[in-house]
Amino acid sequence: EVQLVQSGAEVKKPGESLKISCKGSGYSFTRYWIGWVRQMPGKGLEWMGIIYPADSDARYSPSFQGQLTMSVDKSTSTAYLQWSSLKASDSALYYCAREGNGNAFDNWGQGTLVTVSS
Amino acid sequence: DIQLTQSPSFLSASVGDRVTITCRASQGISTHLGWYQQKPGKAPRLLIYGASTLQSGVPSRFSGSGSGTEFTLTISSLQPEDFATYYCQQFIIYPRTFGQGTKVEIK
Repeated sequence: EVQLVQSGAEVKKPGESLKISCKGSGYSFTRYWIGWVRQMPGKGLEWMGIIYPADSDARYSPSFQGQLTMSVDKSTSTAYLQWSSLKASDSALYYCAREGNGNAFDNWGQGTLVTVSS
Repeated sequence: DIQLTQSPSFLSASVGDRVTITCRASQGISTHLGWYQQKPGKAPRLLIYGASTLQSGVPSRFSGSGSGTEFTLTISSLQPEDFATYYCQQFIIYPRTFGQGTKVEIK
């Protein structure tokens, strides 16, 4: 069974750094792109970017380019999303998802809630 | 970026109704479109990809059609578990944008 398991909720202060994770299992991790999707409270889905675990080729949405970094650790089948300096506006639910059939996200993590507040 | 506009944004319907949601793309995307269902507090679930291919395990009352710039998601007979928010997404170019969502509520 394909599974993506994300790290737990985080509460941070503005200016702090953060790295959240997404661990894949039940499939060949390096063969499928992993994407990240933001959902702000009460709002819709925003495509943030995608990374190919085999070679770490990454594509960012212009809306998020330069604001965060995607990475992977092939040895642990884990993808990461990190911020070097959080803002209150980064408070949201973040999902990772596997890009599968027809380039659609066919499997999703359970989401990681990030709260940034002073 | 390709803009996807869903209509309606909100829909009130009864169990057993036939429901249609439209997604319009700002430029042609062939059939590189998918549909997702999201229930409160849950991750989205893929329903359809390639505009009309049903994802494994998705009930056959869901169907998708369209190509180019206009697409539809149809639920042939709405069931209680179908009350949710639905999103379209294009896969032809980066960023792979989503529509703004259509919330389907009980009448």
